[in-house]
Amino acid sequence: GQNIDQPTEMTATEGAIVQINCTYQTSGFNGLFWYQQHAGEAPTFLSYNVLDGLEEKGRFSSFLSRSKGYSYLLLKELQMKDSASYLCAAMDSNYQLIWGAGTKLIIKP
Amino acid sequence: GAVVSQHPSRVICKSGTSVKIECRSLDFQATTMFWYRQFPKKSLMLMATSNEGSKATYEQGVEKDKFLINHASLTLSTLTVTSAHPEDSSFYICSARDSSGGDVEQFFGPGTRLTVL
Repeated sequence: GQNIDQPTEMTATEGAIVQINCTYQTSGFNGLFWYQQHAGEAPTFLSYNVLDGLEEKGRFSSFLSRSKGYSYLLLKELQMKDSASYLCAAMDSNYQLIWGAGTKLIIKP
Repeated sequence: GAVVSQHPSRVICKSGTSVKIECRSLDFQATTMFWYRQFPKKSLMLMATSNEGSKATYEQGVEKDKFLINHASLTLSTLTVTSAHPEDSSFYICSARDSSGGDVEQFFGPGTRLTVL
């Protein structure tokens, strides 16, 4: 079956770095997405990886290892506004997104 | 990036009535649109996928006669919740993709919060 695993909740301190891991199993693979979702709002796109390696975009970076079925989202210089849920989603062979349950990130001052 | 709008943003209705939610792509042609629902503190659940001019493909367990989807144009899809009941109360989110150029990113609308009394 198809499955996405990510931690339910993480806590970090303002100004610090946090890494949110995601493992996936899908029928075929056409890339891995990370989305940010604030409570009561729709998800917003953060990153897309289809090749192995690290993609850096400002304070956020995303890593993919296709052979390991593994990705992580790295957030640097954490700000209070980064408190949100972070959704990992893998795209299968039919170009359907398979969603993880999301990781709630709590930032403490 | 591309913009997707949804209307209404919030709706409260009585049990037994029907509610229509519109999803529009504002600056691109959405060859494929997706409808999701999300319960509090849960992840997105795909309800159906619709391609312009075709019948929607519903996910297992989603009643197609209850959740009517129409994707009549490249910029508009509608979801109609028929004979709504309190258990249909949820956050409904649409997303759109321009598949014609091989793009894979989905652009999300802001969501519609439905409350059925």
